[in-house]
Amino acid sequence: GESVGLHLPTLSVQEGDNSIINCAYSNSASDYFIWYKQESGKGPQFIIDIRSNMDKRQGQRVTVLLNKTVKHLSLQIAATQPGDSAVYFCAETPGNQFYFGTGTSLTVIP
Amino acid sequence: NAGVMQNPRHLVRRRGQEARLRCSPMKGHSHVYWYRQLPEEGLKFMVYLQKENIIDESGMPKERFSAEFPKEGPSILRIQQVVRGDSAAYFCASSPLLLAATSTDTQYFGPGTRLTVL
Repeated sequence: GESVGLHLPTLSVQEGDNSIINCAYSNSASDYFIWYKQESGKGPQFIIDIRSNMDKRQGQRVTVLLNKTVKHLSLQIAATQPGDSAVYFCAETPGNQFYFGTGTSLTVIP
Repeated sequence: NAGVMQNPRHLVRRRGQEARLRCSPMKGHSHVYWYRQLPEEGLKFMVYLQKENIIDESGMPKERFSAEFPKEGPSILRIQQVVRGDSAAYFCASSPLLLAATSTDTQYFGPGTRLTVL
């Protein structure tokens, strides 16, 4: 089966610092990747996506980097805020089905 | 614009009962996905449906679980004869198109139904 894993299950950062959340994926055929944020008791919320023909994509305060050579995805959050505290999932898809990692729990320390 | 809606938000069932979970996709979305999430775990794909069609049910347990997305009305995930191991959060997501078709349209999740089996 597919596997999408995260290098760090938990991450604590000081408010105002930058956060980097990493993700490894296993399927070379995956061509679309998404980062989701999930707050306690809520459904996953789309943050940013990237296609395999790109290696970097920027949003508001977030950047996703894709390294297809080593099948690695990262999410960078600039100037992390308390509201960023949540579990972050990466997801990959080679087609119709998405595969999610376990998630990284980000805690922002005021 | 209303997002993906799921009901009930919380559902308690005794072992052996049936659970019905409903999902109304976002307006204009014709594709629905169901996922299961156990505590401290990621989302596990269960089934992908279009209106009146099951496209991919490779993640669905072979017994007791079924899903439908009728022409009219919400998508239903049905769990018969529930067991304690079915306790989980069940999330529905919808998208307007096949996800591979575009990089701007992705799947949007509902708030989930938390099923507790006593």
